[in-house]
Amino acid sequence: QVQLQESGPGLVKPSETLSLTCTVSGDSISSNYWMWIRQPPGKGLEWIGYIYHTGSTNYNPSLKSRVTISVDTSKNQFSLNVSSVTAADTAVYYCARDAGYGAFDIWGQGTVVTVSS
Amino acid sequence: QSVLTQPPSASGTPGQRVTISCSGSSSNIGSNTVNWYQQLPGTAPKLLIYSNNQRPSGVPDRFSGSKSGTSASLAISGLQSEDEADYYCAAWDDSLNGPLYVFGTGTKVTIL
Repeated sequence: QVQLQESGPGLVKPSETLSLTCTVSGDSISSNYWMWIRQPPGKGLEWIGYIYHTGSTNYNPSLKSRVTISVDTSKNQFSLNVSSVTAADTAVYYCARDAGYGAFDIWGQGTVVTVSS
Repeated sequence: QSVLTQPPSASGTPGQRVTISCSGSSSNIGSNTVNWYQQLPGTAPKLLIYSNNQRPSGVPDRFSGSKSGTSASLAISGLQSEDEADYYCAAWDDSLNGPLYVFGTGTKVTIL
């Protein structure tokens, strides 16, 4: 059974860097594409970007200047960094697996990140 | 930033059929397959329909998807109380900056 679990600080100060990790169990990270998605309170879903096990990435242009996604194949994990955060980055952050053609079939439970001083 | 447009709400009584539309453009729905997600209150989204009209294992056949041109739709027949949720369409968009995954604006389904 494939499972994803997000982890990281729930509170980040403005202008600092948000860092989250997604741990994959039941599947090798050396297959499929791996996603980050977020959802601000009371709003819709926003795709942040993806990574492949080779390190190849693609980001949402609206966040590209502040986002970095990396992978650690030895730990079966991938990570998200968002720099220079503001209150607008407050959201539930999800990691997910792309089973192909943009079908995100496995999602983590999500982690709440609040940007506040 | 959503480029896929959905009605904000839809409703029906138990047993009825509800249809949700998703309008896009030639660079997304017109060029790529459409997926649908169901998000129950307080939970992560769940893949409901993939590749326009395919159901993952475990999804009831009450849910069906279709696509025509630059639009897609999700139909829920035999509406049940547990179907009360938010529904999102999604697709890859062949933007000039590279592949961009776009979600719809979301539709809240209410059971009357």
